[in-house]
Amino acid sequence: DAGVTQSPTHLIKTRGQQVTLRCSPKSGHDTVSWYQQALGQGPQFIFQYYEEEERQRGNFPDRFSGHQFPNYSSELNVNALLLGDSALYLCASSLRGGGYEQYFGPGTRLTVT
Amino acid sequence: QKEVEQNSGPLSVPEGAIASLNCTYSDRGSQSFFWYRQYSGKSPELIMFIYSNGDKEDGRFTAQLNKASQYVSLLIRDSQPSDSATYLCAVNVRSGGYNKLIFGAGTRLAVHP
Repeated sequence: DAGVTQSPTHLIKTRGQQVTLRCSPKSGHDTVSWYQQALGQGPQFIFQYYEEEERQRGNFPDRFSGHQFPNYSSELNVNALLLGDSALYLCASSLRGGGYEQYFGPGTRLTVT
Repeated sequence: QKEVEQNSGPLSVPEGAIASLNCTYSDRGSQSFFWYRQYSGKSPELIMFIYSNGDKEDGRFTAQLNKASQYVSLLIRDSQPSDSATYLCAVNVRSGGYNKLIFGAGTRLAVHP
C-alpha cells in the first residue's frame, strides 16, 4: 500500500521565480492538504483540496495556488518567490475533507536564494 | 493567544522513564486531536489520535484528553533514545463543513542513556 509521495525532494530557486510541487495521496484517500513548515515551527496550513476544489485556505497570499486532479493528486504553485518562502512543504492526505487522520508525505525542501 | 500551545522544551528524560508532553488549545469546538512525531529533517509521523475525553493507550504511548480544560497530553512510557524527536500536537478545526489541522510549535524530547 503506497503512502503519500511528494516530488521533488529538494529544490533551489531564485527570488521572483515560480515553483510547482507535486503530491500523490495515500491509496484510498481523496483529500490533500498542504502545509508550510519553517525551521523550528509547527506546520502552517496553506489550503485543502477535495473533489478537485479548494475547500479551505489558511492565511497565505494569492501567490500560493493549487490544483487537484481527478486521480486525487495535487500540485502547489508558488509565484514570485520570496526569501521567506524557504521552508519544508508538506502534503498530507486524508479521507473526506480532512475530518479524519492526516498522513504526511516526506516533504519538499524549498530554498529561495 | 496562540491556537495550540506547547512547551518548546527541550524535555530531557533518562532512558526508561516516563516522558509527559502537554498541549493546550483555544477552540472549544475542536473534536479531534493528534500527536505527531518528527525526527530532525524528516516529515511528521502520526503516532496517536484521540476523539473522546479520557485516556487512549497504544503500546508505550498514552494520549489523554480533557475537553473541559482544553488540554491534551501524551505520555511515553519506558522512554528510549530512539524516542528523541520533536512531538507536535495538532487540533482539528472545523470551518464550512471542512476540517484543517492547527499545529503547535512542538516539544523537543531528548532521552539520554
